[in-house]
Amino acid sequence: GAGVSQSPSNKVTEKGKDVELRCDPISGHTALYWYRQRLGQGLEFLIYFQGNSAPDKSGLPSDRFSAERTGESVSTLTIQRTQQEDSAVYLCASSLGGIRTPLHFGNGTRLTVT
Amino acid sequence: DQQVKQNSPSLSVQEGRISILNCDYTNSMFDYFLWYKKYPAEGPTFLISISSIKDKNEDGRFTVFLNKSAKHLSLHIVPSQPGDSAVYFCAASGDGQNFVFGPGTRLSVLP
Repeated sequence: GAGVSQSPSNKVTEKGKDVELRCDPISGHTALYWYRQRLGQGLEFLIYFQGNSAPDKSGLPSDRFSAERTGESVSTLTIQRTQQEDSAVYLCASSLGGIRTPLHFGNGTRLTVT
Repeated sequence: DQQVKQNSPSLSVQEGRISILNCDYTNSMFDYFLWYKKYPAEGPTFLISISSIKDKNEDGRFTVFLNKSAKHLSLHIVPSQPGDSAVYFCAASGDGQNFVFGPGTRLSVLP
């Protein structure tokens, strides 16, 4: 079946602009995660959605970052007033949502803020 | 404060030999561990996992060993193949739903 799909694959934006990144999880996956990977670094947790529960936003680095998810489908990550330090690959992952089920990642969106 | 550490940023191994990737963690509440492989321009791909009730899990050429007392796990790849060249991430969870990733180790398998 189809995997996790992210769009766009690449985004170049000017500092100060807003950007919106999209994630389509695997059908039937109730859990959805956003991670960020800066150049040369590991995966940094941003936000986690599980079903209709309130999302875990503990990883969002500032109030310029927000994410939404409609039901158990598409999620969007929005970064307002982008800064150069926001440049990174933004990875979305989904899982069946049960205890101890692995995450399945998309190919990411490479964001470059100039 | 890194809860999951992969102290070797890179590793080179000859084709056909064993690759051993190491991971250490600090949080004693972690009880579920995973390894992911990542190729350039792709997302991480799940390889193998282990629960803390076990000390070994094997899947084909990949074996993960867990030493809870040392808070250490390792991934063994035998025999190593050039296609195994990638960045390998260790991840851990204490509740089975929130995952902490290590910084990764770049494996190069030389033909």
